[in-house]
Amino acid sequence: AQTVTQSQPEMSVQEAETVTLSCTYDTSENNYYLFWYKQPPSRQMILVIRQEAYKQQNATENRFSVNFQKAAKSFSLKISDSQLGDTAMYFCAYAGNFGNEKLTFGTGTRLTIIP
Amino acid sequence: KAGVTQTPRYLIKTRGQQVTLSCSPISGHRSVSWYQQTPGQGLQFLFEYFSETQRNKGNFPGRFSGRQFSNSRSEMNVSTLELGDSALYLCASSLLQGEKLFFGSGTQLSVL
Repeated sequence: AQTVTQSQPEMSVQEAETVTLSCTYDTSENNYYLFWYKQPPSRQMILVIRQEAYKQQNATENRFSVNFQKAAKSFSLKISDSQLGDTAMYFCAYAGNFGNEKLTFGTGTRLTIIP
Repeated sequence: KAGVTQTPRYLIKTRGQQVTLSCSPISGHRSVSWYQQTPGQGLQFLFEYFSETQRNKGNFPGRFSGRQFSNSRSEMNVSTLELGDSALYLCASSLLQGEKLFFGSGTQLSVL
């Protein structure tokens, strides 16, 4: 069974600074997908970024980028120029096969951006 | 384009009752998944439907069931409610396999 581990329950950073959230996973599959989701107080899960395991290039979405280390099974999220609206729970998630059939989530990191 | 809509937003039930939650996916989306979120267990996959067929099921007891209608709307049902069923139930939809998942805001179920 696949597992996803987020070892940082809480983090805080000053506005405009850069922060990195850690995630490790375990799988025996060769083809899979990794995600970072954001859950603000509204409770809606919002996709931040998606990485396909067969792609060596790290995914980026504006201020958000990942450091995907396949051999180490590590998938960290970097948020640059952090903004107050980035305050939320962040979940790392794994999906095999086609990428959306079943997500396995980590326990989450509560990120607070300090003004 | 409207997002994923879940109703109701909040629900209070007592032990032993049953409950039905509803999810309307984004127009055109054919895949609907359900997740349970609790402080203790985190986010756990319940089941996924595509074109009215259940394709995947998580490790939940048979009291948890679901279905999908021809218009892709989905319902999940929990029978004989237990205190531990108190949770946020999230629904997500996608256009096709491999496409991004879009989540609703969830239904917060409290079992007293």
